[in-house]
Amino acid sequence: DAKTTQPPSMDCAEGRAANLPCNHSTISGNEYVYWYRQIHSQGPQYIIHGLKNNETNEMASLIITEDRKSSTLILPHATLRDTAVYYCIVTNDKLVFGAGTILRVKS
Amino acid sequence: GAGVSQSPRYKVAKRGQDVALRCDPISGHVSLFWYQQALGQGPEFLTYFQNEAQLDKSGLPSDRFFAERPEGSVSTLKIQRTQQEDSAVYLCASSLRLAGFTDTQYFGPGTRLTVL
Repeated sequence: DAKTTQPPSMDCAEGRAANLPCNHSTISGNEYVYWYRQIHSQGPQYIIHGLKNNETNEMASLIITEDRKSSTLILPHATLRDTAVYYCIVTNDKLVFGAGTILRVKS
Repeated sequence: GAGVSQSPRYKVAKRGQDVALRCDPISGHVSLFWYQQALGQGPEFLTYFQNEAQLDKSGLPSDRFFAERPEGSVSTLKIQRTQQEDSAVYLCASSLRLAGFTDTQYFGPGTRLTVL
């Protein structure tokens, strides 16, 4: 599985967009980009995934660069309940969780 | 609707004791996964079932760890002769299809195991 690099932490103001970056320069052609998040004391929660094209669902948008070497998860209007650890995972097999990005949404 | 449930939520064991952790997946979900999450780290894969078949157990850290899913629904993770390094949160996840790892996984709240 390709290795991912994420910033250890980020802050975001409530109501603003949160843009979480992920670098995955060694991604291979059949590997997907997955995003999960984990709120304190809960199990991880699936957010979104994509292969080549940008994706959007009710939770977030995923922007993947044309060369697929990096991606950005966008939470369009962050709320306090979005405070969590966000994991970017690149795989076509097992989910391999790194340290993730701690996103703190502040009022 | 009912999600993945795990029991007990908290377990304290003395070193050397055996423990059994239970996972009830979402009804009808074919695939089931176990993960171990140490404090301050991301979850790490332990094992994977497709119905009752254990297709991948490459993440089990030692032969003291054993998992089963005899009827293709409820699963039990058993740890024999617990050690302090086994202290962690044990997470269970299930997914609907036979696509295995690439299908969306739904996680339970986890069981926090503390070995004294």
